Amino acid sequence: AQSVTQLGSHVSVSEGALVLLRCNYSSSVPPYLFWYVQYPNQGLQLLLKYTSAATLVKGINGFEAEFKKSETSFHLTKPSAHMSDAAEYFCAVSDPGTGNQFYFGTGTSLTVIP
Amino acid sequence: DTAVSQTPKYLVTQMGNDKSIKCEQNLGHDTMYWYKQDSKKFLKIMFSYNNKELIINETVPNRFSPKSPDKAHLNLHINSLELGDSAVYFCASSPYARGSNTEAFFGQGTRLTVV
Repeated sequence: AQSVTQLGSHVSVSEGALVLLRCNYSSSVPPYLFWYVQYPNQGLQLLLKYTSAATLVKGINGFEAEFKKSETSFHLTKPSAHMSDAAEYFCAVSDPGTGNQFYFGTGTSLTVIP
Repeated sequence: DTAVSQTPKYLVTQMGNDKSIKCEQNLGHDTMYWYKQDSKKFLKIMFSYNNKELIINETVPNRFSPKSPDKAHLNLHINSLELGDSAVYFCASSPYARGSNTEAFFGQGTRLTVV
């Protein structure tokens, strides 16, 4: 099965600072890659997904992620954090050979300090 | 229009009871899932159904039984509830597309508390 690792279960940034959330996958064949956000007491919402059309993927709310095959990474960034970005962020993978089986990382809780 | 809807949103029940959580999607997707999110926010897939047929059944106690009456519905029935079953349960759906990076769409979750 595919697996994904998120380094840092908690990340704190100041409002206006760069947000960097890390995600690494562990297969020799690049999986399909996704970032989801979960606001308190809500379901998961897709932020962005890797489509193989470009290594830099832009998502909603100013987030973007860069796919780096050599580093087996798909880190999520945002140039300037906003208070409303405080949430839980999940990296997820699915297997291109089978699709439809989504495996999630352990999540990173983002705190934005005013 | 809610794409993936779960009921109830909150469920408090006593140990030993049997309960069900319902899920419906109006996206026309072929595949539906149940995930369990524990207190540390870890999301674990429990079941996956494609067109009413079970395709993933992770290591889950057999007290948990999914039921899919049609491809738009996937209900979760839990027998003999235990304290450790307390968690948030998410239903999700996705199109069935082998070789395509279609994403999963999630419901709002059902917070189950067993007392």
